[in-house]
Amino acid sequence: QVQLGESGGGVVQPGRSLRLSCAASGFTFSNYTMHWVRQAPGKGLEWVAVILYDGNHKYYADSVKGRFTISRDNSKNTLYLQMNSLRADDTAVYYCARDLQSGYNYVAYFEYWGQGTLVTVSS
Amino acid sequence: EIVLTQSPAALSLSLGERATLSCRASQSVSTYLAWYQQRPGQAPRLLIYDTFNRATGIPARFSGSGSGTDFTLTISSLEPEDFAVYYCQQRSNWFTFGPGTKVDIK
Repeated sequence: QVQLGESGGGVVQPGRSLRLSCAASGFTFSNYTMHWVRQAPGKGLEWVAVILYDGNHKYYADSVKGRFTISRDNSKNTLYLQMNSLRADDTAVYYCARDLQSGYNYVAYFEYWGQGTLVTVSS
Repeated sequence: EIVLTQSPAALSLSLGERATLSCRASQSVSTYLAWYQQRPGQAPRLLIYDTFNRATGIPARFSGSGSGTDFTLTISSLEPEDFAVYYCQQRSNWFTFGPGTKVDIK
């Protein structure tokens, strides 16, 4: 069965960096576009970034553009999110999510989700 | 950015009742709309995509309808596990979510 497991969250001071990982199993990772979605405590969902199946195309929400970098290692079935210049409003549970559709024409519906990892930005 | 508005913000219903949740988009999203369920302490779960297609394993009591700017998620007869928060999401112009509707037990 499809499994996604995030790690790397924690407490970090404003302005510092953190890297999240998402280990995938139960499907052919290299065939699927992957996303990061976050949820601030007690709030709704916000899409953060997407990376296509081959890693050649990446797109970001305006709120993180220039500060966050999404990447993947298909040989390790792992998705990453490098977060730099962190701010208090980046505090959230970060979920990795698999796209509903395989291949180049992703649909940006989030079919499978990990359990999330909490990032707290605080001095 | 396309803004999604959900109504009501909260809904109190009894087991077996019908739930009707609304999602309105600030501009047309065609039929590129999905619904997710999130139970407390859990990740969201995809219920419906492209307005009316049920995701794998989703019971038939969940149905979606609409097009353009107005969409509805209907739960025909509430089961105990259906009490949760429901989010709509569009993919017509980048990807945004609505603020959610909480369905709780009356």
